[in-house]
Amino acid sequence: KAGVTQTPRYLIKTRGQQVTLSCSPISGHRSVSWYQQTPGQGLQFLFEYFSETQRNKGNFPGRFSGRQFSNSRSEMNVSTLELGDSALYLCASSLSGDEQFFGPGTRLTVL
Amino acid sequence: AQSVAQPEDQVNVAEGNPLTVKCTYSVSGNPYLFWYVQYPNRGLQFLLKYITGDNLVKGSYGFEAEFNKSQTSFHLKKPSALVSDSALYFCAVRGLSGYSTLTFGKGTMLLVSP
Repeated sequence: KAGVTQTPRYLIKTRGQQVTLSCSPISGHRSVSWYQQTPGQGLQFLFEYFSETQRNKGNFPGRFSGRQFSNSRSEMNVSTLELGDSALYLCASSLSGDEQFFGPGTRLTVL
Repeated sequence: AQSVAQPEDQVNVAEGNPLTVKCTYSVSGNPYLFWYVQYPNRGLQFLLKYITGDNLVKGSYGFEAEFNKSQTSFHLKKPSALVSDSALYFCAVRGLSGYSTLTFGKGTMLLVSP
């Protein structure tokens, strides 16, 4: 069974631009969560989607948004990028809500 | 609110020696606890979890963790460390909201020397 895939793996943007990251969960998993990982703040929860509905959201500004499609694939969008948005963005999928399976992440660099 | 503390930024151990990576947690009610490992430029890999039952949980790659409710701890252990165990280790907790959201500790870098 294929694992969680994330595209693109690396991304370079400039301040003020927007970016869309994609995540394909493990087949059959309906829950997708997003996390931001930075050296200073560690791993922080962004949001979780289940059956196309956002059911939990972390403490991030409204520039961060996401959605989930009927096939459980998920996208997250960051508008008006800031230097501080440079991070590794991790997606995780879950079947039962217990263990989460993480993708390799998308490394976003904002210049 | 739930939280996790990993008091050590780095743990150094010689290959063949036992290792312990510490974790304490705070959560309302009974916790769901997890350990993940991250290798450079990789995502997180699941090691083990505690939901209920035996306080000693066995996981992947020879790792185990001991749940101690009175001390609110969930320390990760391995009897004999390998150089290949060198990585960043994260402890995480999930509350009873029914959601999958994990709260992570800041991570502990484990360095195993030959």
